[in-house]
Amino acid sequence: ELKVEQNPLFLSMQEGKNYTIYCNYSTTSDRLYWYRQDPGKSLESLFVLLSNGAVKQEGRLMASLDTKARLSTLHITAAVHDLSATYFCAVVEEYGNKLVFGAGTILRVKS
Amino acid sequence: EAGVAQSPRYKIIEKRQSVAFWCNPISGHATLYWYQQILGQGPKLLIQFQNNGVVDDSQLPKDRFSAERLKGVDSTLKIQPAKLEDSAVYLCASSLMAFRDTGELFFGEGSRLTVL
Repeated sequence: ELKVEQNPLFLSMQEGKNYTIYCNYSTTSDRLYWYRQDPGKSLESLFVLLSNGAVKQEGRLMASLDTKARLSTLHITAAVHDLSATYFCAVVEEYGNKLVFGAGTILRVKS
Repeated sequence: EAGVAQSPRYKIIEKRQSVAFWCNPISGHATLYWYQQILGQGPKLLIQFQNNGVVDDSQLPKDRFSAERLKGVDSTLKIQPAKLEDSAVYLCASSLMAFRDTGELFFGEGSRLTVL
């Protein structure tokens, strides 16, 4: 059974600092997603990573995937308050059709 | 383009009562999903429909939960009788075709259920 673990589960950051959220998964996967969720809102797709070594960047967020290590990272550069949200990684098992989510990382950026 | 619509947004009931949630997916989307998101956890898939057929309901507690998707468009999720542990946000999502083919799910804002 595919298990997805994120850490940390809660992250309090100062504006302007850098940090990384980690996502580990337990079985072979061929695609990984990062989502953002604001309180009371729906999940917003940030990145889709499809192959080993894939790297995608949007603004202050950069996601990467290492399929051999079964690890994805979401790197935050020079955090700003607007990035405060909950971030989820979600993994599709290889040849599967079910999206399994991690528990989420609550990010709070303090000024 | 209109997004995934869900109602009601909030519902408070007592245990052993019943409740139903409604979802209208994005027009033309063949695949519809219901997820349960308990506070502090990631969403968990309850059921997946492809048009009006069930693809996966392995994690749906069938003794109390039921779902249908009539005519391959709207869907309802029912809980009867509700238990305290059913308190959660129920998220509906849709995708254009089978998830593996399109790679993107679009989520609604969810229906928050509180069972007292």
